Amino acid sequence: SSELTQDPAVSVALGQTVRITCQGDSLRSYYASWYQQKPGQAPVLVIYGKNNRPSGIPDRFSGSSSGNTASLTITGAQAEDEADYYCNSRDSSGNYQVFGGGTKLTVL
Amino acid sequence: QLQLQESGPGLVKPSETLSLTCTVSGGSISSSSYYWGWIRQPPGKGLEWIGSIYYSGSTYYNPSLKSRVTISVDTSKNQFSLKLSSVTAADTAVYYCARHPAATMNWYFDLWGRGTLVTVSS
Repeated sequence: SSELTQDPAVSVALGQTVRITCQGDSLRSYYASWYQQKPGQAPVLVIYGKNNRPSGIPDRFSGSSSGNTASLTITGAQAEDEADYYCNSRDSSGNYQVFGGGTKLTVL
Repeated sequence: QLQLQESGPGLVKPSETLSLTCTVSGGSISSSSYYWGWIRQPPGKGLEWIGSIYYSGSTYYNPSLKSRVTISVDTSKNQFSLKLSSVTAADTAVYYCARHPAATMNWYFDLWGRGTLVTVSS
């Protein structure tokens, strides 16, 4: 089992806002990063640090954190946002990398 | 533009050693700014970090795999490599190489290879 916990599946209506969460003790001390993965493709970084987007990532993607929970918010979800989303941070010891189990986002 | 490309056998027999190489092009693996890592994804499942290496050769590994994993770097070839010993069917996965910045408390992988499927089967 992962030290970062994500809901297995989330759905959102086209154009609406959706929040994908990631829980873990290490998130009290470190920010999570977030990745989007579409079928048959490598993951793509969408959020890192406090709330930073790599070049080319739409500004409808944002990140936040509170206590032991990190969140990825998509404001105005588009059909092309349908994908698996993974969070990533340090483990509870702070010494190793760990990924969450992933959340499958369906855009209705 | 920096790119990563995984290469190696797509089929490995049980109990043997899986060997993969990641070639870095368009930039230097000897940059002091980055670690270079391996991540895998079994079919239909999530991502698992395997381990990472710095250009100097400093490594850190997933504790659950540490006894079977060796990651090395060849700066002259701009490559880093993964060896996973005593493989079983549970090691069947897409293996990705990726880059992550070194000088940050908050880790993230900002550049990934396309991945390569390795199947463990006799």
